[in-house]
Amino acid sequence: AQTVTQSQPEMSVQEAETVTLSCTYDTSESDYYLFWYKQPPSRQMILVIRQEAYKQQNATENRFSVNFQKAAKSFSLKISDSQLGDAAMYFCAYRSPRSTSGTYKYIFGTGTRLKVLA
Amino acid sequence: DTEVTQTPKHLVMGMTNKKSLKCEQHMGHRAMYWYKQKAKKPPELMFVYSYEKLSINESVPSRFSPECPNSSLLNLHLHALQPEDSALYLCASSQVPQPTYEQYFGPGTRLTVT
Repeated sequence: AQTVTQSQPEMSVQEAETVTLSCTYDTSESDYYLFWYKQPPSRQMILVIRQEAYKQQNATENRFSVNFQKAAKSFSLKISDSQLGDAAMYFCAYRSPRSTSGTYKYIFGTGTRLKVLA
Repeated sequence: DTEVTQTPKHLVMGMTNKKSLKCEQHMGHRAMYWYKQKAKKPPELMFVYSYEKLSINESVPSRFSPECPNSSLLNLHLHALQPEDSALYLCASSQVPQPTYEQYFGPGTRLTVT
């Protein structure tokens, strides 16, 4: 069975500094997708960044980038120039290959709560 | 329109009540999901619908009954719930069969069972 592990329940970062959130996963599949989602307090969960497993190049979205190490099954998120609005719970998620019914299963890690200090 | 809407935002119900949660999206997504999320925990998958057919049921108790009347609408019917069912219920949708699309989440319904 696939699993997703986030070993940091909580992290703090000073405003304008850089922080890295860790995520490891376990799967026997070769074709899958990985995501980082952000869930601010009492607000909607939104996608931060996605990574296709077949791509060697690390995904980047503005101040957010990932370090994808497929062999090590590691998928960390780096947030540069941290802003107060980055404070949220961050979930790493694994999406399995398509099932015979045509759907995908998403498995979430336990989350890392990021605090941004002014 | 990249929005998933959920109603109601908050719901308080007794253990003998019957209520329904509603989810709607107009992005043309043909996969829709129900998740249960307890405080400070990740979302737990409950049900997945693909092309309006139930494709995944994660051994959810029968007091939760999903329904997908059309490609834009997803309901979760609740009956005889327990206090431990109190949680945030999230709806999400995604494209199928294209593999590159992530899930879009609604804001959730915060359910309290008294």
